[in-house]
Amino acid sequence: DQQVKQNSPSLSVQEGRISILNCDYTNSMFDYFLWYKKYPAEGPTFLISISSIKDKNEDGRFTVFLNKSAKHLSLHIVPSQPGDSAVYFCAAHPGGSNYKLTFGKGTLLTVNP
Amino acid sequence: DTEVTQTPKHLVMGMTNKKSLKCEQHMGHRAMYWYKQKAKKPPELMFVYSYEKLSINESVPSRFSPECPNSSLLNLHLHALQPEDSALYLCASSQRQRGYSGNTIYFGEGSWLTVV
Repeated sequence: DQQVKQNSPSLSVQEGRISILNCDYTNSMFDYFLWYKKYPAEGPTFLISISSIKDKNEDGRFTVFLNKSAKHLSLHIVPSQPGDSAVYFCAAHPGGSNYKLTFGKGTLLTVNP
Repeated sequence: DTEVTQTPKHLVMGMTNKKSLKCEQHMGHRAMYWYKQKAKKPPELMFVYSYEKLSINESVPSRFSPECPNSSLLNLHLHALQPEDSALYLCASSQRQRGYSGNTIYFGEGSWLTVV
């Protein structure tokens, strides 16, 4: 049972445009959501997170939106840059002392110059 | 500074060898993790240490043995591995965000393990 789903395996965007990466979850106990970026041969890099008490969190070019009723979150990157080309993982956990992070399968973003 | 340092970056070992992966963080995080990642797959949780005690073991085979000597260090001892254990092994640490219920988990660069 896949509790965190990233239904788009890949996304291609032109430099300067907006990239929108989507993530759906099924477990209503999830309370905290994170996005990670991963280059080949490197560990995942934490990008941005959002708690279920919020519907939006912004950090520079990155904004995460959470629609709790739809169990859906999205990561917006504006403007997209070629260096943003990487695999993006959505992850979630129930919060508190539960340390287990559940990952989606990832979306490969390619930003074309 | 959100740095988790892992050594070695690359390791090749035979199926009869004993080796160790090492991880260090100086962020004062009290939870540390080992994950395994295969190509084109998300990271899979192996072990979690909380306050230097093993709190989660995701039914990992005993040929993988974690150790947490102190709050900054985490080791993964490897013995009698199989070729299918070849993967990127990721160490991570986490802290709870102020005002939130969630833990932000920071990953190291990983150790590439090849079992021959």
